[in-house]
Amino acid sequence: EAQVTQNPRYLITVTGKKLTVTCSQNMNHEYMSWYRQDPGLGLRQIYYSMNVEVTDKGDVPEGYKVSRKEKRNFPLILESPSPNQTSLYFCASSSQRGSSYNEQFFGPGTRLTVL
Amino acid sequence: AQSVTQLGSHVSVSEGALVLLRCNYSSSVPPYLFWYVQYPNQGLQLLLKYTSAATLVKGINGFEAEFKKSETSFHLTKPSAHMSDAAEYFCAVSGGSGNTGKLIFGQGTTLQVKP
Repeated sequence: EAQVTQNPRYLITVTGKKLTVTCSQNMNHEYMSWYRQDPGLGLRQIYYSMNVEVTDKGDVPEGYKVSRKEKRNFPLILESPSPNQTSLYFCASSSQRGSSYNEQFFGPGTRLTVL
Repeated sequence: AQSVTQLGSHVSVSEGALVLLRCNYSSSVPPYLFWYVQYPNQGLQLLLKYTSAATLVKGINGFEAEFKKSETSFHLTKPSAHMSDAAEYFCAVSGGSGNTGKLIFGQGTTLQVKP
């Protein structure tokens, strides 16, 4: 089954404790992206990657890091989480070719709470 | 810069009534437009997309949307609402071929369906 998986689905942590949220897709997509969803703000892009070893900042990158060492994986790293990073996070992937261009497939989400 | 505005953060309809969710966009290039649906505790699922082919786009679950360039709109409709349609709906725009693949999302509209 074609899908985007994220782990963990729920995470409660404390300020300053480094964490990683994993994202993996099995559709051989070039493009991957991280969004955060906050009430009344919709989804805002944190970072994206056009392909392996190619990453770039989105609209709200402060406090986050990413890496793309393999095509299927795109982890999101919070080096020193703060309470304002409490949010619902989504990973997404898409093909950059053909009729599926830009149609992004989303993971199930990770609800992060930083105390 | 691209942007999306969804008019009405909450829409309430009776079961069997017409559903109309409004979306206006701003884009300096021919846009690709998307409607996504998010059911409680789930990720986003694509309802339909406009990619410069037919202006009336049919999607899943009986939804459709019409691209109107003169009005810069892409409103989502369904003739008869079902209880199962209760969810949050997001309109999104991207810059089409050659852009970075980024989606710009509206703030979301929560659809309530009353019995």
